[in-house]
Amino acid sequence: AQSVTQLDSHVSVSEGTPVLLRCNYSSSYSPSLFWYVQHPNKGLQLLLKYTSAATLVKGINGFEAEFKKSETSFHLTKPSAHMSDAAEYFCVVSDLYGGSQGNLIFGKGTKLSVKP
Amino acid sequence: SQTIHQWPATLVQPVGSPLSLECTVEGTSNPNLYWYRQAAGRGLQLLFYSVGIGQISSEVPQNLSASRPQDRQFILSSKKLLLSDSGFYLCAWSPRQGLEQYFGPGTRLTVT
Repeated sequence: AQSVTQLDSHVSVSEGTPVLLRCNYSSSYSPSLFWYVQHPNKGLQLLLKYTSAATLVKGINGFEAEFKKSETSFHLTKPSAHMSDAAEYFCVVSDLYGGSQGNLIFGKGTKLSVKP
Repeated sequence: SQTIHQWPATLVQPVGSPLSLECTVEGTSNPNLYWYRQAAGRGLQLLFYSVGIGQISSEVPQNLSASRPQDRQFILSSKKLLLSDSGFYLCAWSPRQGLEQYFGPGTRLTVT
């Protein structure tokens, strides 16, 4: 069965420093992977997606993620944090042939704090 | 472009009262539709999904129900609310199973 583990429930960085949010996945087949961001009391917004094309995926707002099959990881990075990046981030896996009918499996989220 | 709407944005209801939350999608046809609940500290829980009109799959047995009376309309209902129904309800759509989902702005439900 598919699963997603976000390794940190809370990450705190200073404005202008790099961001690293870690995600490991488990999937029987070639998965699709996504990162979503949620600001307080808002819906989830798609940041980026991996669907078996390039392993380095660029998303919105300067974020990118690298798919590493050997490490079963899909970590999210950004070179320089901005105050507006403070939010909760969800790593998500979709495995169409893995028994979940293609429904998305969400990680528990990582709350990112950005200090001025 | 596609847009997804949810209403109301916030709702305060007493225990035992009925519930109806509505979600509509514009700019696409035959979308897959989803209802999620996000309770404090509990992550995102898939409640229902629908691949077509009148086709509803339930992920979690509870006192909620869903209906899809039109292609781009998805309704979440309850006959009698419980305190445990409080949470943030999110509707989402996807072009088909396995692809990314696009979320609405959500409804904050407080049951008192």
